[in-house]
Amino acid sequence: DAGVIQSPRHEVTEMGQEVTLRCKPISGHNSLFWYRQTMMRGLELLIYFNNNVPIDDSGMPEDRFSAKMPNASFSTLKIQPSEPRDSAVYFCASRLTGPWQYFGPGTRLTVL
Amino acid sequence: SQQGEEDPQALSIQEGENATMNCSYKTSINNLQWYRQNSGRGLVHLILIRSNEREKHSGRLRVTLDTSKKSSSLLITASRAADTASYFCATVLIKAAGNKLTFGGGTRVLVKP
Repeated sequence: DAGVIQSPRHEVTEMGQEVTLRCKPISGHNSLFWYRQTMMRGLELLIYFNNNVPIDDSGMPEDRFSAKMPNASFSTLKIQPSEPRDSAVYFCASRLTGPWQYFGPGTRLTVL
Repeated sequence: SQQGEEDPQALSIQEGENATMNCSYKTSINNLQWYRQNSGRGLVHLILIRSNEREKHSGRLRVTLDTSKKSSSLLITASRAADTASYFCATVLIKAAGNKLTFGGGTRVLVKP
């Protein structure tokens, strides 16, 4: 079975540009999580969805960040406009009913 | 602030030695999970211990939990070069909706052949 799929794997953009990160969870999983990992702040939960509905977005840094899950097999995390401090690795994870989360390989974002 | 804090931040050992890392947390938990992250990759779950358990084993992994001290330890026995990775503890708080995880800062483990 394919694991969590994220695209792109690497993104380099300039400050002010819009960035869209994509995630395909494991088929059948009903919870999806977006994390950001930086050296300074470690691994932070940004938002999570249950059955495509956003449950907790308290980790979203500011209004420049938005996330959607239009269906059970796809989610996006958008940053508009991007800033250099948004540079990080962004992970998507999904979960079925058990305690484990299954992580994707991450998207390394660099904002110049 | 992060729920979990890990100690040490980095650990370097020889192949065959044991590696021990610790995790402390601040509030009552439902369970505590350990994950491994290889360089440039996503996290992979290793082992889970529930709040009513004190010790669990899985292969070369041994996890302990002391809820009175709000701390956990992960022991990797007979380490191998392939164990080189970062290890994270993650807590699930009591009544946390959706089994939301809060991660510690991680321990970077280097196993030298």
